[in-house]
Amino acid sequence: GQNIDQPTEMTATEGAIVQINCTYQTSGFNGLFWYQQHAGEAPTFLSYNVLDGLEEKGRFSSFLSRSKGYSYLLLKELQMKDSASYLCAVVQLNTGFQKLVFGTGTRLLVSP
Amino acid sequence: EAQVTQNPRYLITVTGKKLTVTCSQNMNHEYMSWYRQDPGLGLRQIYYSMNVEVTDKGDVPEGYKVSRKEKRNFPLILESPSPNQTSLYFCASSVGQGVEQYFGPGTRLTVT
Repeated sequence: GQNIDQPTEMTATEGAIVQINCTYQTSGFNGLFWYQQHAGEAPTFLSYNVLDGLEEKGRFSSFLSRSKGYSYLLLKELQMKDSASYLCAVVQLNTGFQKLVFGTGTRLLVSP
Repeated sequence: EAQVTQNPRYLITVTGKKLTVTCSQNMNHEYMSWYRQDPGLGLRQIYYSMNVEVTDKGDVPEGYKVSRKEKRNFPLILESPSPNQTSLYFCASSVGQGVEQYFGPGTRLTVT
């Protein structure tokens, strides 16, 4: 089975830094994705971590600790357009098949 | 342009009236998947397909059917829709299992 936890909602101010956490308990872990989803739109890929450590991509960074079952997405220099939901998704390996399991998402509201 | 398309984007229907939501991708992806997204529940996988004529159930398959006769198309069929199938539906494709998925724009279905 799997269990993925993210905060339901977060607020932050334009220009600030925000960290969105994701904890997971799953068998056969084989990587973790972060997706961004604006209201009513499709999720879009942000990052992928399979090894422990930090992956940096512009204003966004993602960290993974496999031993702790923990990841975070770090957003720097927040902009109004960053107001969206952020979905943590775990790749679960099960009897030779890999499956993407999504958390319920964190809604981020960026205010001026 | 590489993309996943879905039709219709919005649909209001009545209980028991069969409907099909189409999904098509132009990236020659082998793996395709259907998700539904409900408030507080996140994205849940309905069905997936690893290649032509190869499909299998996801986490919430009851009340749905799929087919994969061609690589590019993966329609979702609701033989007898019920109000609990009111949801936002996303089709996704990827080159394989457990890798970045590309999502369609979504289909908002309301069953009365």
